[in-house]
Amino acid sequence: DIQLTQSPSFLSASVGDRVTITCRASQDGSNYVAWYQQIPGEAPKLLIYAASTLQSGVPSRFSGSGSGTTFTLTISSLQPEDFAIYYCQQLNDYRLTFGGGTRVEIK
Amino acid sequence: QEEVVESGGGSVKPGGSLRLSCAASGFIFRDHYMTWIRQAPGKGLEWVSYISSSSSYTDYADSVKGRFTISRDNAKDSVYLQMDRLRAEDTAVYYCVRGVRDSFFHYYFMDVWGKGTTVTVSS
Repeated sequence: DIQLTQSPSFLSASVGDRVTITCRASQDGSNYVAWYQQIPGEAPKLLIYAASTLQSGVPSRFSGSGSGTTFTLTISSLQPEDFAIYYCQQLNDYRLTFGGGTRVEIK
Repeated sequence: QEEVVESGGGSVKPGGSLRLSCAASGFIFRDHYMTWIRQAPGKGLEWVSYISSSSSYTDYADSVKGRFTISRDNAKDSVYLQMDRLRAEDTAVYYCVRGVRDSFFHYYFMDVWGKGTTVTVSS
């Protein structure tokens, strides 16, 4: 099975910072990844799908890129409401896999 | 407003059973795959199962295969998860989620999430 590894697992950043989270697949599989944001105590929320398509209603400071085994989520200017946990997710061999998550906290 | 609402969670002893339900509204339920995702306390997200729009295709994570059964009733806009032979490691919040896939099954993402229902397996 393909595993997804996110890095870093934790990052501390300030409001206004540019933040990049990486999701690496253990082998070449789908060229598509989705990204979700989860505020603790709440359900996850879809941010990006098909690697780079912004979900309707999601602020444009979020962007996604990548292909093959390496994908990135970028927040161009971190806002107070962005402090959360972020997960990548992929479909491979009809199975859904999530990365372990990246917690973004306030510096 | 597109929405899914889970119910049926609770506490059960190891080896017991529980049936989760999920009621959808605000969208054409019969057109969509549906998914169950779970999150153990303090842990990340784990895919459990999904079912195709017509129930013709289902799949399960290895951790639940043979113990859990997903089903749906398009007349009732509902999806279900029958959980048998429950184990302590099944303790989690279970989310019902609408799935979206492309024609070739190259990708599958989830765009409408419920608030979750909590399942606790403990003696």
